[in-house]
Amino acid sequence: GIQVEQSPPDLILQEGANSTLRCNFSDSVNNLQWFHQNPWGQLINLFYIPSGTKQNGRLSATTVATERYSLLYISSSQTTDSGVYFCAVEGVAYSGAGSYQLTFGKGTKLSVIP
Amino acid sequence: GAGVSQSPSNKVTEKGKDVELRCDPISGHTALYWYRQSLGQGLEFLIYFQGNSAPDKSGLPSDRFSAERTGGSVSTLTIQRTQQEDSAVYLCASSPTPGGLAGLGGETQYFGPGTRLLVL
Repeated sequence: GIQVEQSPPDLILQEGANSTLRCNFSDSVNNLQWFHQNPWGQLINLFYIPSGTKQNGRLSATTVATERYSLLYISSSQTTDSGVYFCAVEGVAYSGAGSYQLTFGKGTKLSVIP
Repeated sequence: GAGVSQSPSNKVTEKGKDVELRCDPISGHTALYWYRQSLGQGLEFLIYFQGNSAPDKSGLPSDRFSAERTGGSVSTLTIQRTQQEDSAVYLCASSPTPGGLAGLGGETQYFGPGTRLLVL
């Protein structure tokens, strides 16, 4: 099956700093999503971005599908950004009509300190 | 309610017993997703419903797992003959109708708080 690798596994930032999280995947994808899980376990769907660039406030994401990676940018980080960021993909080889089968990376644990 | 709710919030059971987990999606959301998160396996996608139909059940870990959805609303995930490796947080999410294959995953998913299952 498709492999998903995220880096770095852990990241500590001073409040106000910028960061880039990376997601590499082993095969062509038609579905790539970024999720954030806060320290209390609540999951939030951040971006659906199988290709191109999207921005939402201080967060933006870029996926370069031909090179099989995606980047999540966090600017002017805040303590509320702490938590684990997951990348999840669905490979083109798997996809069929009505299919939906995400494979998750192990996540990047972000700690933003005041 | 305003968000996705799940029940029970915590469940402790003995190995070999059956358990049923419930998810109430946001009203009007036709897509519903089940995931689980465990220390050993990380986050895993289990199954997806569009309305009452689950097009692909291959994400379920074994034939002890089953899921159904009735009335396009409430969903239940049933685990028969539970094993210790089933211990995990089971998460449910819902989203508005995705617009066909290209739209699957494109709709924002709203997650519930999860059910923490411990199998002794």
